Amino acid sequence: QVQLQESGPGLVKPSQTLSLTCTVSGGSISSGDYYWSWIRQPPGKGLEWIGYIYYSGSTYYNPSLKSRFTISVDTSKNQFSLKLSSVTAADTAVYYCARDPTGYYTDYWGQGTLVTVSS
Amino acid sequence: DIQMTQSPSTLSAFVGDRVTITCRASQSISSRLAWYQQKPGKAPKLLIYKASSLESGVPSRFSGSGSGTEFTLTISSLQPDDFATYYCQQYNTYPRTFGQGTKVEIK
Repeated sequence: QVQLQESGPGLVKPSQTLSLTCTVSGGSISSGDYYWSWIRQPPGKGLEWIGYIYYSGSTYYNPSLKSRFTISVDTSKNQFSLKLSSVTAADTAVYYCARDPTGYYTDYWGQGTLVTVSS
Repeated sequence: DIQMTQSPSTLSAFVGDRVTITCRASQSISSRLAWYQQKPGKAPKLLIYKASSLESGVPSRFSGSGSGTEFTLTISSLQPDDFATYYCQQYNTYPRTFGQGTKVEIK
């Protein structure tokens, strides 16, 4: 069974760059059957879909979000990553990585990691 | 973007009650709707996909229906483990969008 695990710093200073990595186990990120996504959830609020990456490196980002996000993939490590530049307190959230069968819903989620933006 | 609107935002019910949550899409999404359950401090868990298909391992007391713009999630007999927040998600178009959530509380 596939498992996803987020990793990265839990505290980031305002204006800096948030960097998170998702390690996939129990399956290959190079499978052409899936998109690999990031979703975030501010404390006490709902879910916000950020974007996805395909194993080939092609990406799609939520146009409603400012273009501060970058998603990348490292197939040799079976990992994909999220970078968010110029963070503010509004970016404080639990960040989830997830797997989407191509063109479908999210079927597996990581456990999530809380990132707090504070000086 | 397709807007997803859930109602109610909060629902109080007794164990054993039949519970229905509604999700409306701002435009037709055919049957491309999923439902998730989220407990505090945990990731969402897939319950229903394609509006009415039960994910493997999900109890049969959960059911979904609808197509186009109006959908429902029904719990036929609420159990203690079901107290959680429920989200709908459309996967008809990108970006994917979620409803704002419905919190099911113990009455």
